Parts: sequence; structure tokens; C-alpha cells
Amino acid sequence: EAGVTQFPSHSVIEKGQTVTLRCDPISGHDNLYWYRRVMGKEIKFLLHFVKESKQDESGMPNNRFLAERTGGTYSTLKVQPAELEDSGVYFCASSKYRGGDTGELFFGEGSRLTVL
Amino acid sequence: GQQLNQSPQSMFIQEGEDVSMNCTSSSIFNTWLWYKQDPGEGPVLLIALYKAGELTSNGRLTAQFGITRKDSFLNISASIPSDVGIYFCAGPVNFGNEKLTFGTGTRLTIIP
Repeated sequence: EAGVTQFPSHSVIEKGQTVTLRCDPISGHDNLYWYRRVMGKEIKFLLHFVKESKQDESGMPNNRFLAERTGGTYSTLKVQPAELEDSGVYFCASSKYRGGDTGELFFGEGSRLTVL
Repeated sequence: GQQLNQSPQSMFIQEGEDVSMNCTSSSIFNTWLWYKQDPGEGPVLLIALYKAGELTSNGRLTAQFGITRKDSFLNISASIPSDVGIYFCAGPVNFGNEKLTFGTGTRLTIIP
């Protein structure tokens, strides 16, 4: 069974440009999360989908970030326009819905974003 | 919000040595998780702890859930080269979900 896959693995863009990151969760996983790690700091929660619905987007930094999960399958995270402080590694993770347990999150390899 | 203070930030050890790292919080956690991130990969769950005082092993790894529920420890015995990576502690922000707070990580380097 394929794990969580993310694309691209690395993106280098200039300030002001737009980037779209994609995540394909493990098949059958209703929960999809986006996390971000800025250089040397902790991994921080961005948002959580249950199927196609946004369950919690309290970690999204500002309105330059837009996440979607149409059809409850893959998800995209768009940054527009990108700023220097958006640089970091964006991780996607998925899990099966467990109805209240803290289950095991399966992380993708991450998409490294560098904004110049 | 909740913060997890992880120490040490980095460790340089020789192959075969034992490793200890810990994680502390100012607030109580009901679950403690330890993840490892290999270079170029995403974090992978190593050990999950669900009960205060619990001591759990996974091969050469042993983790403990502190009695106060505000700390946790991870030990690695007889380190080998593939133990290299970043180790993160984490806990759920709210009981029973996967919105996690992570520590800043402990980077482990093994000197040949």
C-alpha cells in the first residue's frame, strides 16, 4: 500500500509568486493534516480535514494560505503571494478516523519550500 | 498555547553509546508520542504512551510517560548508525485527536 505522497519535494520561488503543494493521503484515510516546520523550529499544525470538510484551520498563518480537499481525496495547499517567512518544510499526514482516539499519523516526506 | 521543551537540541555520540533525551511541558498531556525523522523523510511514530507512569519499549528504544504527565523520556541503547536523525516528542492539543504539538527536536549524530 502506498504511503502519503507529496509533490513537489522541493520548490524554489521568488517572493510574490504562487506555489501549490499537493498531498495524496493513504487510501481510505479520512483525516488529512498539514503541518509545517520552519528551519530549526518545531513542527506546527496548520489545518485538519475530515474527508472534504475543514475540521480545524486554526494553525493557518494568514489568508495567503488556502487549502482544499475536493472530493475528500487528495489535498492542495496554495500560498499566494509567497513571502520569505513562508520558507520551510510542509508536511502532510493522514490517519483513519477513530472517533476520539489519538491514532497513528502517517507523514509524507514533506515539500520543502524556499522563497527567495 | 502549549509548548514542549525538548533537550538536548543536538547530540554527538559514538556508535554503541546509549542516548537519553527528554521533553517537558508546562501543561498536562494525556498522550505522549515520540517520532523520528530520517534525513529527507517525514516523521515516523516510534512509541506512543497513553498512561502516566507507563514505560514502553520498542526494540532498543524505551520511553516513559512521566508521573506528573508533564514530561516524557526517550532512551536509545547501544546506538547504531541508522539511529541518526531528528527525534521529536509530541502530544495532542486536545484529548483524543491528532492535532499535535511538537517539541523542537533532538538531532542525533553518530560519530564513527
